[in-house]
Amino acid sequence: SAVISQKPSRDICQRGTSLTIQCQVDSQVTMMFWYRQQPGQSLTLIATANQGSEATYESGFVIDKFPISRPNLTFSTLTVSNMSPEDSSIYLCSVLRQGEGNTGELFFGEGSRLTVL
Amino acid sequence: AQKITQTQPGMFVQEKEAVTLDCTYDTSDQSYGLFWYKQPSSGEMIFLIYQGSYDEQNATEGRYSLNFQKARKSANLVISASQLGDSAMYFCAMREGFNKFYFGSGTKLNVKP
Repeated sequence: SAVISQKPSRDICQRGTSLTIQCQVDSQVTMMFWYRQQPGQSLTLIATANQGSEATYESGFVIDKFPISRPNLTFSTLTVSNMSPEDSSIYLCSVLRQGEGNTGELFFGEGSRLTVL
Repeated sequence: AQKITQTQPGMFVQEKEAVTLDCTYDTSDQSYGLFWYKQPSSGEMIFLIYQGSYDEQNATEGRYSLNFQKARKSANLVISASQLGDSAMYFCAMREGFNKFYFGSGTKLNVKP
């Protein structure tokens, strides 16, 4: 199983600022996924990050607000730009389990819990 | 239509008893995967169990089993011998194709001592 490390685990941010979340995987993966979980809600996919190409954003999410980098096959960052209180959420990085006998589940990082004041 | 429906926002269970968390899904695909995840208050998402659409046997993983009823499009999670550490949010999810995932709204399980 993949080990995924996310930083920061939590942060309190001021309105109007930006924060970058880092996601490090212990093995090379083709796709990395960024999810948002607003308080008391389910997970919503923000974008899929592919190495060497632009991230693919889901409806309702734009690159200017959530720029993503994917410089190599083990690392990605998600920036939450110009934050407002509505951006207070848990942000989760995930990868697909791959390999022989895999069931194709998503592995998740520990999540980054952001609070915007 | 919702792809994944979890109708129980919250559930209580007595320690050591079994509990069933409901999940129904909607898909027209023949091949799909069904998953359950546990999310403690810390926020991480922990994979619990998987059921493939072609699997005839119900999946089991330790105290977790998945009651798969394909005709009814249900994939209920059964937790046997509940423990205090089982208190968490539980999410049902479905994968269509290679990487398209849908998550339910979750069920908050409280295990009472």
